[in-house]
Amino acid sequence: KAGVTQTPRYLIKTRGQQVTLSCSPISGHRSVSWYQQTPGQGLQFLFEYFSETQRNKGNFPGRFSGRQFSNSRSEMNVSTLELGDSALYLCASAGGTGLQETQYFGPGTRLLVL
Amino acid sequence: ELKVEQNPLFLSMQEGKNYTIYCNYSTTSDRLYWYRQDPGKSLESLFVLLSNGAVKQEGRLMASLDTKARLSTLHITAAVHDLSATYFCAAPHNFGNEKLTFGTGTRLTIIP
Repeated sequence: KAGVTQTPRYLIKTRGQQVTLSCSPISGHRSVSWYQQTPGQGLQFLFEYFSETQRNKGNFPGRFSGRQFSNSRSEMNVSTLELGDSALYLCASAGGTGLQETQYFGPGTRLLVL
Repeated sequence: ELKVEQNPLFLSMQEGKNYTIYCNYSTTSDRLYWYRQDPGKSLESLFVLLSNGAVKQEGRLMASLDTKARLSTLHITAAVHDLSATYFCAAPHNFGNEKLTFGTGTRLTIIP
């Protein structure tokens, strides 16, 4: 089974721009979660989508948004980029039942905001 | 709000020694995860612990869960250099929830 894939792997943007990151979950998985990882704040939950609906949301400003498509692929968008948005963005997929399963993480997208 | 604490933050140990990483979480949870992260890489799933008293082992790593104490441990036996990495524990916010709160991570360095 193919793992979780994320594109692009690396991005460089400037302040004020917007960015869209993509995640394709493991085949059959309907839950996709997004996390931000920074040296200062560690791993922080952004949001989770299940069957095209946002099921959970973390404590991030409205500049961070996401969506999920009918094939379970997910995108997250960050508008009006700030320097502090530089981070590794990780996507994780799971079956969505929450029981006896793990979340599988993709390779991540490393975003640098200049 | 769920809080997950790990200790130690940094651990340097010699090959062949044993050590334990501790993970405390603040509210009841139905699962506890352990992940490994190598520098510049993503998270690799190690264990999912589902019930009180659960113990899982893979090679030189063994994880256990005590839901009453809200404590999980990751024990390393006879450490080898390949185990050098950062280890994270994580817990979901409530039963059946996929929203995970991660600990700060333990950076483990194995010295030959």
